[in-house]
Amino acid sequence: GEDVEQSLFLSVREGDSSVINCTYTDSSSTYLYWYKQEPGAGLQLLTYIFSNMDMKQDQRLTVLLNKKDKHLSLRIADTQTGDSAIYFCAESMRSGNTGKLIFGQGTTLQVKP
Amino acid sequence: NAGVTQTPKFRILKIGQSMTLQCTQDMNHNYMYWYRQDPGMGLKLIYYSVGAGITDKGEVPNGYNVSRSTTEDFPLRLELAAPSQTSVYFCASSYSGTNNEQFFGPGTRLTVL
Repeated sequence: GEDVEQSLFLSVREGDSSVINCTYTDSSSTYLYWYKQEPGAGLQLLTYIFSNMDMKQDQRLTVLLNKKDKHLSLRIADTQTGDSAIYFCAESMRSGNTGKLIFGQGTTLQVKP
Repeated sequence: NAGVTQTPKFRILKIGQSMTLQCTQDMNHNYMYWYRQDPGMGLKLIYYSVGAGITDKGEVPNGYNVSRSTTEDFPLRLELAAPSQTSVYFCASSYSGTNNEQFFGPGTRLTVL
């Protein structure tokens, strides 16, 4: 079945770049997403990429998609302490136009001053 | 717009009790979703709805029920609470099922003792 895997933890120093990785299994997913969850809050969409794209850049965020390896990454440039959060990768499910997503376990990003 | 609101924020239940988690959105979104988030496990879809009067099971529907009598409201019912239902519950909504951002509520933290 469909599955999304992420590493659980990443620690970086303020000002460095962060790279959060994700692998997925459903090659027919049309959209792949990155969500951010701050402590005690719901998830918030950061960015998404359409499956026919290799890269998408949005200010400090760069998303890279390797369809052959089913690998997605999120790079945050000049990481700030306010970027400390849990980051979830998600893929759209194959079954029809339901908007259902499969989420990874989440990567906790710790930014040290 | 208030977005997606959930009540209550916190609740402690005894085994066998029942309760309804409320979810309301004021964005006129057709699609609504209920997820549970267990530590280190990401989000699992419980139930979803593609419009008023239509509901369907997600990955982990056992022990839960939903209804969707209006576009705005999508309550989640636990009939016989069990310790395995201790979790954080998130409601989300989106305008459609095709690459539309899911907007999340702040969550309900439920403990079953």
